[in-house]
Amino acid sequence: DAKTTQPPSMDCAEGRAANLPCNHSTISGNEYVYWYRQIHSQGPQYIIHGLKNNETNEMASLIITEDRKSSTLILPHATLRDTAVYYCIVRVRDDKIIFGKGTRLHILP
Amino acid sequence: ETGVTQTPRHLVMGMTNKKSLKCEQHLGHNAMYWYKQSAKKPLELMFVYSLEERVENNSVPSRFSPECPNSSHLFLHLHTLQPEDSALYLCASSPRRADTQYFGPGTRLTVL
Repeated sequence: DAKTTQPPSMDCAEGRAANLPCNHSTISGNEYVYWYRQIHSQGPQYIIHGLKNNETNEMASLIITEDRKSSTLILPHATLRDTAVYYCIVRVRDDKIIFGKGTRLHILP
Repeated sequence: ETGVTQTPRHLVMGMTNKKSLKCEQHLGHNAMYWYKQSAKKPLELMFVYSLEERVENNSVPSRFSPECPNSSHLFLHLHTLQPEDSALYLCASSPRRADTQYFGPGTRLTVL
């Protein structure tokens, strides 16, 4: 039970912002939202995580709604190398990571 | 990312063979993990080691035997595997068990 719902696939034009949604309506107060991505046949790559506040790093931005029931991962200027499966995961800090099916993001030239 | 390395990257073995997968992390982390990713299935956590002690074993068959000789190295010993064990085996590490995990590139295993 991955506790999250993501669209199975999305397309985004190269150079545009890719906005990947995630629903986690049953999230509890001590659970963090994590995002990983997996490029074909490679290991998952950590992107970003957050608890309540929006977060930004060199890879992406994470926007969490005020009620924390959903979030959006934003890749500001998508490139072909961003084509991957993106996983949204909720977990408490000392709990295992459970990967769901994720969103397969296709960046179109 | 070169912090977590895995060897070999590809392995083909027969059902009667014995082989080992190796994982090494150069990040100074204290927790290490083995995951299995079968075709079209989500990643499955197999084993968790924290400070070289196995702290989690998710009902993995005994034909998979992990070993963690020190905090930088993790092995997965394989014997008498089945064709359905063919998968991508991923190693990960984190500073402590609760922290963000960083993955290696994986070993693509094929059991004939």
